[in-house]
Amino acid sequence: NAGVTQTPKFQVLKTGQSMTLQCAQDMNHNSMYWYRQDPGMGLRLIYYSASEGTTDKGEVPNGYNVSRLNKREFSLRLESAAPSQTSVYFCASSQSRGQGKTEAFFGQGTRLTVV
Amino acid sequence: GENVEQHPSTLSVQEGDSAVIKCTYSDSASNYFPWYKQELGKRPQLIIDIRSNVGEKKDQRIAVTLNKTAKHFSLHITETQPEDSAVYFCAASITGSARQLTFGSGTQLTVLP
Repeated sequence: NAGVTQTPKFQVLKTGQSMTLQCAQDMNHNSMYWYRQDPGMGLRLIYYSASEGTTDKGEVPNGYNVSRLNKREFSLRLESAAPSQTSVYFCASSQSRGQGKTEAFFGQGTRLTVV
Repeated sequence: GENVEQHPSTLSVQEGDSAVIKCTYSDSASNYFPWYKQELGKRPQLIIDIRSNVGEKKDQRIAVTLNKTAKHFSLHITETQPEDSAVYFCAASITGSARQLTFGSGTQLTVLP
């Protein structure tokens, strides 16, 4: 049981280049998320998907697009990378587990540097 | 939307001492408050959570308290050990909301030997 798997682990891009971060989960969760983590800023939500076929903007969506390809996969695309997008990106999935509780399971993170 | 503030941003304690991290939230509809621990270079993982119908919850050396009236909740770690050194994130959630979790900005806890 792999949990949440995201690729790549590290990436260096030049300003203006594009790339897609891939994420897959094998826990049959409905909800999936993309966060970015910057020093002193915590985890900020970029986009989320409540279910297959739906996506919605989070706190910091500008410069990003997402695709919920199926229930398992949720990708994040940078169309024209900027140095301000240098960050660590985490994909996560979650499921309400009864009694009003929700647990998020995170991927191992992608460290992206834009030069 | 929900806003979660977390303090302090950094905390250093001597091994064996206690550590307290505090969070406040803005949306009175939030009713679920988890805490995540992120060790250096690793992914965040859930360590303890509390629902709004409970004022306190303990799990060995860690405990969470919740004051719904004041809209704040805290993480308490007793008898700290070097392996407690990590970044801790609080979060708040309106159960059933698709957006689900709003995280605080994190606290870097360092336990000094």
